[in-house]
Amino acid sequence: SYVLTQPPSVSVAPGKTARITCGGNNIGSKSVHWYQQRPGQAPVLVIYYDRDRPSGIPERFSGSNSGNTATLTISGVEAGDEADYYCHVWDSSGDHWVLGGGTKLTVL
Amino acid sequence: QVQLVQSGAEVKKPGSSVKVSCKASGGTFSSYAVSWVRQAPGQGLEWMGGTTRSGTPKIAQKFQGRVTFTADESTTAASMELSRLRSDDTAVYFCARSHLGDLSDPARLWGQGTLVIVSS
Repeated sequence: SYVLTQPPSVSVAPGKTARITCGGNNIGSKSVHWYQQRPGQAPVLVIYYDRDRPSGIPERFSGSNSGNTATLTISGVEAGDEADYYCHVWDSSGDHWVLGGGTKLTVL
Repeated sequence: QVQLVQSGAEVKKPGSSVKVSCKASGGTFSSYAVSWVRQAPGQGLEWMGGTTRSGTPKIAQKFQGRVTFTADESTTAASMELSRLRSDDTAVYFCARSHLGDLSDPARLWGQGTLVIVSS
């Protein structure tokens, strides 16, 4: 079955740029979505279809997807961005969601 | 603004069943798919399955034979029933409405989550 691989943790200083990767076999051929989950809260969609931002999500959040890696980029990181981030694709061969294991973003 | 409101926390015995409801406040599930995602303590998100906009269920292989997804005729409420509960079913269960009408779409709107504890 299809597997998505994320680094368990990423640390970044305030104001810097955080990049969270999501690896998968030929993931560039799939649409990738990203969720932010703060402690004790429900997930929030922050990027969908590789690079689109839902209304209300700051422009600091952006996405890209090519080859075997999709990337969520957060520019000008703020303390409030500290959360777990999950990537998500649809596996059409099995008709099911595939979720990455999640990346904990720590703002130093 | 549409919100998804889930039922309250449950404590269940092993071997029993639990039903979690999800109501669309200020909107409906019409024309949308509904997914169910759970999260065990300290763990990541796990997709259980859901229903398409026409109400057809799709169940992740891991939960085949143990889970039932339903939606009421008014399509303002959906539910998930998990049977033959085990201790490792202890988790927060989320409902989520799709961005568009398919289960393949991203989840745009989430419920607040329902904690289910399975303990003897």
